[in-house]
Amino acid sequence: NAGVTQTPKFQVLKTGQSMTLQCAQDMNHNSMYWYRQDPGMGLRLIYYSASEGTTDKGEVPNGYNVSRLNKREFSLRLESAAPSQTSVYFCASSPPRTVNTGELFFGEGSRLTVL
Amino acid sequence: QQQVKQSPQSLIVQKGGISIINCAYENTAFDYFPWYQQFPGKGPALLIAIRPDVSEKKEGRFTISFNKSAKQFSLHIMDSQPGDSATYFCAASIPAGANSKLTFGKGITLSVRP
Repeated sequence: NAGVTQTPKFQVLKTGQSMTLQCAQDMNHNSMYWYRQDPGMGLRLIYYSASEGTTDKGEVPNGYNVSRLNKREFSLRLESAAPSQTSVYFCASSPPRTVNTGELFFGEGSRLTVL
Repeated sequence: QQQVKQSPQSLIVQKGGISIINCAYENTAFDYFPWYQQFPGKGPALLIAIRPDVSEKKEGRFTISFNKSAKQFSLHIMDSQPGDSATYFCAASIPAGANSKLTFGKGITLSVRP
């Protein structure tokens, strides 16, 4: 049971390049999330998807787009990368509140550097 | 406005000592308060959680104390071990339809000295 799988684990981009971070979960969870983690800033929500076909902005959505491809997969796209997007990105998933009240299951992270 | 505030920002404890991390929240609609533990190079993982109708929850060496009137909760790690060295995040959950939305504190790095 892999849980939440993120690819790639590491990526270096030049300013202005685009890329997509991939995330897949095998726990049949409805909700999926993208967070970024920066020193001293904690975990900040970029986008989330409550169910297949729906997405909503989080705290820091600017510069990002997301796609909930199906129930398993939730991708994060940077259209024109900027140095301020250098961060560690985490994908997470969670079951509905009827199962538990908000436990998130995280992937191992994708470390992105924008030069 | 930061809805969940953690203190201190970092903590160094000797092996065998007690580690105490505090969190304060603003929104009284929060109904679930988890603590997440993160080791270097890994994603955060749920450590222990509490609901607001309980004042204390203990799991092994880890205890959450919850003070609803003060809107504060804290994590106590008894007999701290070097293997407890990690980043700890408090969080608070609010209903969002059929799902939950978590707000995290900024995290605190705990170092347990041998």
